[in-house]
Amino acid sequence: GDSVTQMEGPVTLSEEAFLTINCTYTATGYPSLFWYVQYPGEGLQLLLKATKADDKGSNKGFEATYRKETTSFHLEKGSVQVSDSAVYFCALSLDTGRRALTFGSGTRLQVQP
Amino acid sequence: DGGITQSPKYLFRKEGQNVTLSCEQNLNHDAMYWYRQDPGQGLRLIYYSQIVNDFQKGDIAEGYSVSREKKESFPLTVTSAQKNPTAFYLCASSISAGTTGELFFGEGSRLTVL
Repeated sequence: GDSVTQMEGPVTLSEEAFLTINCTYTATGYPSLFWYVQYPGEGLQLLLKATKADDKGSNKGFEATYRKETTSFHLEKGSVQVSDSAVYFCALSLDTGRRALTFGSGTRLQVQP
Repeated sequence: DGGITQSPKYLFRKEGQNVTLSCEQNLNHDAMYWYRQDPGQGLRLIYYSQIVNDFQKGDIAEGYSVSREKKESFPLTVTSAQKNPTAFYLCASSISAGTTGELFFGEGSRLTVL
């Protein structure tokens, strides 16, 4: 079945460090890909998305590129801040079948001042 | 303000009791979803509904039930048949169930079985 695999956390970085969180997927078809962020005690918020191969999603300094050849959608940010500390979820959606998002297990990011 | 409201935020239940979690949205979205979140396991889909009076099982529907009598409401009942109900429950909605649809999430309900 369809699935999303994320790197294990927690990821601990110093402020202004470069961030990469790896995400790969398995899907029958051509999914749309998403990154969601969850701050402590809250629901999830959409961070960025890409709907077709080679698309780049970007928001708040975060970027991710849809790589069909490597089935990946890695999240990057050039300079993290303490306020970026949260759990990040990669997800996919297909326009066939059950049409609900499939999520990865989440990666906790901790940014230290 | 448009959004999704979940209640209660915290709920304690004794073993053998059924409980119902409320989810209301005023975004005029057709599709609604319930996810369960456990530490280190990400989100797993319990039930979803693409339209009023219709819903489908997700990956972990056993021990749960839902209804969708109104477009804006999608309550989840955790029954006594659910063997391990302690978890964080998230409700979400989208304009329609489809490829590019962004999901909007509520703030969640944390259920603890005593």
